Amino acid sequence: DIVMTQSPLSLPVTPGEPASISCRSNQSLLYANGYNYLAWYLQKPGQSPQLLIFLGSNRASGVPDRFSGSGSGTDFTLKISRVEAEDVGVYYCMQTLQIPLTFGGGTKVEIK
Amino acid sequence: EVQLVQSGAELKKPGESLKISCKVSGYGFSSYWIGWVRQMPGKGLEWMGIIYPGDSDTRYSPSFQGQVTISADKSIKTAYLQWSSLKASDTAMYYCARTRSSGYDAFDIWGQGTRVTVSS
Repeated sequence: DIVMTQSPLSLPVTPGEPASISCRSNQSLLYANGYNYLAWYLQKPGQSPQLLIFLGSNRASGVPDRFSGSGSGTDFTLKISRVEAEDVGVYYCMQTLQIPLTFGGGTKVEIK
Repeated sequence: EVQLVQSGAELKKPGESLKISCKVSGYGFSSYWIGWVRQMPGKGLEWMGIIYPGDSDTRYSPSFQGQVTISADKSIKTAYLQWSSLKASDTAMYYCARTRSSGYDAFDIWGQGTRVTVSS
């Protein structure tokens, strides 16, 4: 199985400031078609997860442009350019290159 | 509007069977994978398995293979997750989710979750 490791576990943030979450895999997620099979989700308190980023760097429909995904191979980053109060929750990365699909352990983002 | 509506919360005893559902609307059910994700209390997300309703192609995580059965009924646009003999450790929230495309590169629409509690 591909193991996904996120850091940090917890991230206190100040509204208006940037934030960054790291996700690493123990195998490359870069497929022959040039896409990285890595997605990012946000699970707000008491809600279902919601898709933020797919194929490494593509924002899902309706996702604000303050969210961006980058990276390739085994190292990926989710960046929030200016955190807003509504961005609190747990962020998960997920590899979709091979079965079984696997999630990272999650990063809890909270307001300082 | 694309929607996945899951069945309601369940309270069951160890050893009982259970089948929960995920009814979809607003898109071609047969053309997208539906996956199931477990979230144990206070824990992270775990991918359980996935089904392509068009041909019932089903893939499981080794962690859940043999423990659950995933199925789909195209006639009523509904996917299912079932257990034949529940354990206390099956207590969790279960989500169904649709893939973004005909592949499974991401889950873009999620159900509201079904809470399953297994207790004697």
